[in-house]
Amino acid sequence: AQSVTQPDIHITVSEGASLELRCNYSYGATPYLFWYVQSPGQGLQLLLKYFSGDTLVQGIKGFEAEFKRSQSSFNLRKPSVHWSDAAEYFCAVGANDYKLSFGAGTTVTVRA
Amino acid sequence: GAGVSQTPSNKVTEKGKYVELRCDPISGHTALYWYRQSLGQGPEFLIYFQGTGAADDSGLPNDRFFAVRPEGSVSTLKIQRTERGDSAVYLCASSLAGGPLDTQYFGPGTRLTVL
Repeated sequence: AQSVTQPDIHITVSEGASLELRCNYSYGATPYLFWYVQSPGQGLQLLLKYFSGDTLVQGIKGFEAEFKRSQSSFNLRKPSVHWSDAAEYFCAVGANDYKLSFGAGTTVTVRA
Repeated sequence: GAGVSQTPSNKVTEKGKYVELRCDPISGHTALYWYRQSLGQGPEFLIYFQGTGAADDSGLPNDRFFAVRPEGSVSTLKIQRTERGDSAVYLCASSLAGGPLDTQYFGPGTRLTVL
């Protein structure tokens, strides 16, 4: 079965600074990988996804993620954080079906 | 267009009571999913519908949990004899066809509190 680890429970970053959120997955084959963001009172919103091809994936809101098979990682990055990026971020892995397995999430706080 | 909606947004009940949680998927989406998100955790898969039928209910924790989607659109998650451990946010998602390449769109969730 697939699983996801997000090592950082909480990250605080200054507005305008860069952000990197870590995600490590466990799966025997090539996984489908996703990053979702959850703001208070809002549903999970898909930021980006990786299925195959180029290992650097561009998403919405200026986010990108890089798939590294050798490290079983799919880290999320943003060059310059805005106050509106404060939220909880979830990495998820999918197999050859519809089930998504989510990590426990990383809460991002943005300070002025 | 309208996204996935869930009602109620909050539900407080007493231990032992029966509750129903409703999900309205995006119009035209044949696939519907229920997940449960406990405090400090990511969502966990409960059940997947393709059309009217439950294609995979392997995530339902026990037989107190049941879900239906009688007309292939709205779905109801039913929990009998609620326990305090059932307290969580219940998330519903829908996707166009249900394959692994399909994006799942999530609703805002129903926060269930069992006293």
